[in-house]
Amino acid sequence: RKEVEQDPGPFNVPEGATVAFNCTYSNSASQSFFWYRQDCRKEPKLLMSVYSSGNEDGRFTAQLNRASQYISLLIRDSKLSDSATYLCVVGGFKTIFGAGTRLFVKA
Amino acid sequence: ETGVTQSPTHLIKTRGQQVTLRCSSQSGHNTVSWYQQALGQGPQFIFQYYREEENGRGNFPPRFSGLQFPNYSSELNVNALELDDSALYLCASSPWTGGIQETQYFGPGTRLLVL
Repeated sequence: RKEVEQDPGPFNVPEGATVAFNCTYSNSASQSFFWYRQDCRKEPKLLMSVYSSGNEDGRFTAQLNRASQYISLLIRDSKLSDSATYLCVVGGFKTIFGAGTRLFVKA
Repeated sequence: ETGVTQSPTHLIKTRGQQVTLRCSSQSGHNTVSWYQQALGQGPQFIFQYYREEENGRGNFPPRFSGLQFPNYSSELNVNALELDDSALYLCASSPWTGGIQETQYFGPGTRLLVL
């Protein structure tokens, strides 16, 4: 079992759609959780940190369920510019990235 | 702009050669991590440096080694290059807060091609 697993994707959605990404992690001792965004041939950039209480940043909502070892990212009202790969990241003694889920938003 | 810089941007080597990649961390960050990202995959953790010492390592062989300097910049050295070492090598810097991984800021990466 991979330490961090994400939906394999790709997700193809029309503009304005709501899309949800899921991620599970295996190490219950993990302490920090993030979503990063990576555009084609670019470096990953932080989208948002993830907290047990849930957090929201504009159209983006992230949720952490420690009991189920599950992390989610919800994007509302998708824009063409949201097209990218979304990486789930779990930190502890070392940082583990998921393989990423590719999102294509179409006009 | 994150402030993390890497050099060179691209590199072509042949099997068996050695390579050194460089990274300057963002101002105020004392921890540097290195990642290998193969095409279509997520970044794989190589190792992390804090206060000039290795502070965690992923599943990479000893021919992957590193250094951190007093100014927190860092080098990644790879000996005896293999074809599978072809990848994007990413450096990320972060502040150290006692063991909990803080947000990491990535440099643009070095694309290594091994022929």
